[in-house]
Amino acid sequence: KAGVTQTPRYLIKTRGQQVTLSCSPISGHRSVSWYQQTPGQGLQFLFEYFSETQRNKGNFPGRFSGRQFSNSRSEMNVSTLELGDSALYLCASGTGSSYNEQFFGPGTRLTVL
Amino acid sequence: TQLLEQSPQFLSIQEGENLTVYCNSSSVFSSLQWYRQEPGEGPVLLVTVVTGGEVKKLKRLTFQFGDARKDSSLHITAAQPGDTGLYLCAPRIGTASKLTFGTGTRLQVTL
Repeated sequence: KAGVTQTPRYLIKTRGQQVTLSCSPISGHRSVSWYQQTPGQGLQFLFEYFSETQRNKGNFPGRFSGRQFSNSRSEMNVSTLELGDSALYLCASGTGSSYNEQFFGPGTRLTVL
Repeated sequence: TQLLEQSPQFLSIQEGENLTVYCNSSSVFSSLQWYRQEPGEGPVLLVTVVTGGEVKKLKRLTFQFGDARKDSSLHITAAQPGDTGLYLCAPRIGTASKLTFGTGTRLQVTL
């Protein structure tokens, strides 16, 4: 079974631009969660989608948004990029069961200059 | 507000040594997961513990869930360089589906 894939793997943007990251979950998984990982703050939850609906949301500004398509693929968008948005963005898929075990992709490394 | 602490933050040991890392909180967890993340990769799920006092073993790794379900530990016996990585605990509180990750313990095992 193929794992979680994320594209692109690396991205360099400048302040003020916007960016869209993509995630394809494991086949059959209906839950997709997004996380931001930085050295200072660790792994922080952004949002979770389940069957195309946002089920949970973390404490991030509205510049961070996401969506999920009918095939469970998900995208997240960050508008008006700031230097502090530089991070590893991880996508995780899950069955959405009560334990919500997460299967992570390799991440997208975003650098904002 | 839930306070989740992992200790130690950093650990550098030699091959063959034993070690224990901890995950503590003031909140009661309905379940807890441990992950390991290697450089350049996403975290990989190691185990899920659910019942207070539960002990699970994965080869040389032993996971324990506290009786009160507020803490957990991970013990590694005879550490190997392949154990190097960031160990993250991720508890689940109540019926919430989202996970909150600890800041992690960064383990380095040298020859």
